[in-house]
Amino acid sequence: QKEVEQDPGPLSVPEGAIVSLNCTYSNSAFQYFMWYRQYSRKGPELLMYTYSSGNKEDGRFTAQVDKSSKYISLFIRDSQPSDSATYLCATASGSRLTFGEGTQLTVNP
Amino acid sequence: DSGVTQTPKHLITATGQRVTLRCSPRSGDLSVYWYQQSLDQGLQFLIQYYNGEERAKGNILERFSAQQFPDLHSELNLSSLELGDSALYFCASSAPGYGYTFGSGTRLTVV
Repeated sequence: QKEVEQDPGPLSVPEGAIVSLNCTYSNSAFQYFMWYRQYSRKGPELLMYTYSSGNKEDGRFTAQVDKSSKYISLFIRDSQPSDSATYLCATASGSRLTFGEGTQLTVNP
Repeated sequence: DSGVTQTPKHLITATGQRVTLRCSPRSGDLSVYWYQQSLDQGLQFLIQYYNGEERAKGNILERFSAQQFPDLHSELNLSSLELGDSALYFCASSAPGYGYTFGSGTRLTVV
């Protein structure tokens, strides 16, 4: 079983839609949770970083962590074609960052 | 610009050869991480250095090695290259409370 499970998609939505991306993890020792965006095999770009259960909002992005169910989510409001990318969840315990496989998102104009 | 610099951006080499990838972390970051991303796989952790010392090892092959120098830049050495080593190699650096910042990667093609 992978330590971090993420539905690879692909996910295709119309412009303006609310997008929900989800991951589950198995190791309760994971303390930090991140979401990255990766365009066309460029370097992953950090979108959200949190270490506690609950919601964290940044503009159109909201990260949600539920440590009791080991579930992390990223919501994108008013999605734009420029949001089309691969989104990777990641968790960390100590120094090692463990990634999900990534979800490929396409936002259609 | 993320602040993490990787060189070269592209590298094409033959099987059996040795290459060196270079990474300069974001200013002030002491930790450097190396990741491999193949076409059919996600980001795989290779190795971490902290202030010049190896801190953690992941799925790094014995043919691969890394080091971090006193000025905190790091090099990843890949030797006896095989076709299957063709991948994107990313470097990341981190500081407490700020997550991990990735460079733009080195695309290695082994022919």
